[in-house]
Amino acid sequence: DTGVSQNPRHKITKRGQNVTFRCDPISEHNRLYWYRQTLGQGPEFLTYFQNEAQLEKSRLLSDRFSAERPKGSFSTLEIQRTEQGDSAMYLCASSPAGGYGNTIYFGEGSWLTVV
Amino acid sequence: AQKITQTQPGMFVQEKEAVTLDCTYDTSDQSYGLFWYKQPSSGEMIFLIYQGSYDEQNATEGRYSLNFQKARKSANLVISASQLGDSAMYFCAMRGGSGNTGKLIFGQGTTLQVKP
Repeated sequence: DTGVSQNPRHKITKRGQNVTFRCDPISEHNRLYWYRQTLGQGPEFLTYFQNEAQLEKSRLLSDRFSAERPKGSFSTLEIQRTEQGDSAMYLCASSPAGGYGNTIYFGEGSWLTVV
Repeated sequence: AQKITQTQPGMFVQEKEAVTLDCTYDTSDQSYGLFWYKQPSSGEMIFLIYQGSYDEQNATEGRYSLNFQKARKSANLVISASQLGDSAMYFCAMRGGSGNTGKLIFGQGTTLQVKP
């Protein structure tokens, strides 16, 4: 029984480069979430998928950010033309569909440093 | 709009003692869930405990219990018999039940340090 898996765990990139993070959710979970967390703050919601459909995007998700979940399994989060303000940890989470009582399980996060 | 407030940026507790981490929330939903997560320095968010808005009894999971006071909109986490491994950041979060995406809204977190 594997949990939510994210890679790479750490990425250092130069400003202006593109980066992509991958998330593999718990296999039977059809809901998938991306969050961003900066140092000392709580995670902030970025986007949500139910199966392959992206159903909600936060205003935090600028047009440089794109997320996909092509077959309703793994998901990718791409950041184009990275800026120093993008430095953060990007957390992926998954849960079964259903009511508010279903627990959302998180991966270990992907740390991004833009230099 | 939903909001979670954690007013304690940092807390200290002596090993083997109990500690309470505060959480208040605001929502217009009648149905919702309240969660606590632990985040060690490694970064992973670890689920600790859940309380549903209609649950009449306070949730307990091992050394963790949730002191739920619905009228006051508070959901404090109580950790009994603190251990050194409890040192981490703790987040209170809420998930609404009004047919939305079910995303979690987090508070700012409380850093807990357990002293030997």
